[in-house]
Amino acid sequence: DAGVIQSPRHEVTEMGQEVTLRCKPISGHNSLFWYRQTMMRGLELLIYFNNNVPIDDSGMPEDRFSAKMPNASFSTLKIQPSEPRDSAVYFCASSFRRGTNTGELFFGEGSRLTVL
Amino acid sequence: GQQLNQSPQSMFIQEGEDVSMNCTSSSIFNTWLWYKQDPGEGPVLLIALYKAGELTSNGRLTAQFGITRKDSFLNISASIPSDVGIYFCANFGNEKLTFGTGTRLTIIP
Repeated sequence: DAGVIQSPRHEVTEMGQEVTLRCKPISGHNSLFWYRQTMMRGLELLIYFNNNVPIDDSGMPEDRFSAKMPNASFSTLKIQPSEPRDSAVYFCASSFRRGTNTGELFFGEGSRLTVL
Repeated sequence: GQQLNQSPQSMFIQEGEDVSMNCTSSSIFNTWLWYKQDPGEGPVLLIALYKAGELTSNGRLTAQFGITRKDSFLNISASIPSDVGIYFCANFGNEKLTFGTGTRLTIIP
């Protein structure tokens, strides 16, 4: 069975450039989460969607970050313009929400972003 | 905001030893989860606990949901090389999964 698929796995870019990270959740899952992992701050929730609708984006660091989920099988996280402090591993996760979420998330392998 | 503090931060053990780690919260929760992250991978769910006092096993792993609902424990028996990685506690509140600070497990040959 295909898990959560993220692309690219690695990206190196220069400060000021636009970065787009992509995620394909597990088929049939209706909740999608974007997390960021750094040594200093650990795993932080950026935003999550239920049925393609953004529910809570309070973790998005600032206006340079935006996320979309145009359909049930695709989501993007965009950073424009990127800054060196955005360097991190970005994870996408999905789950099946029936009633309330249980916390059983399935994570992708992550996109490692380096901004020079 | 909610904080999940894990201890120890890191462990260096020999293969075959048992491992114990714990997680404490400043708030009461109804769900505790334990995830493991292998190097270069995303976290994977190991055990989920939904009831105070619950003790659940998954192979060599055993986790308990503390009676106070503010803590949880994870034990690994007879560690093997593939147990290396970072172990995270997490709990689910307000539809958000919040992770602890992590315990990094290293096995010394």
